[in-house]
Amino acid sequence: ELKVEQNPLFLSMQEGKNYTIYCNYSTTSDRLYWYRQDPGKSLESLFVLLSNGAVKQEGRLMASLDTKARLSTLHITAAVHDLSATYFCAVDDRGNSGGSNYKLTFGKGTLLTVNP
Amino acid sequence: NAGVMQNPRHLVRRRGQEARLRCSPMKGHSHVYWYRQLPEEGLKFMVYLQKENIIDESGMPKERFSAEFPKEGPSILRIQQVVRGDSAAYFCASSPWGGEQFFGPGTRLTVL
Repeated sequence: ELKVEQNPLFLSMQEGKNYTIYCNYSTTSDRLYWYRQDPGKSLESLFVLLSNGAVKQEGRLMASLDTKARLSTLHITAAVHDLSATYFCAVDDRGNSGGSNYKLTFGKGTLLTVNP
Repeated sequence: NAGVMQNPRHLVRRRGQEARLRCSPMKGHSHVYWYRQLPEEGLKFMVYLQKENIIDESGMPKERFSAEFPKEGPSILRIQQVVRGDSAAYFCASSPWGGEQFFGPGTRLTVL
């Protein structure tokens, strides 16, 4: 059974600081996703990482993937209040499911609070 | 191109009633996934459907829950005889080929 673990689960930061959220997963997978969720809202796709060594950046967020270590990181640079949200990583299970079944297994999420 | 649509957005039911949640995928998408999010938790896979077929229902509770995706019309997640533990946010996601998924706004079910 695929397991996805995120840490930390809670992160309180000051504006302007840097920090990293970690996502470990237990089995081989084709893709790793990062999502943002604001309270009471749906999931907004941030990044899709497809291969070992993939790095993607959007604004103050940068995501990377190490498939050998089964680890992805989401790095936050010079945090601002608008980044406050819950961040989820998710891994598809196609390696075990086969076919076109890309069901996602999610981590528990990291609640990020950026304080002025 | 409209995104994934779900209705209702909020649904209140009393214990023992039925809940029907609807999901209209994005145009051209024939793959639908349903996920459930309990308070303070991540999303958990429930069921994966293609038009008229259930492909994987390994995440569905064995009783009271069913899903369909008919040839015409939205996908429906049906919960019979709801209990308080069914209170959650239910998200559907659609995909054109099974891969990258686009999430709907969710239905927040409250069971009194």
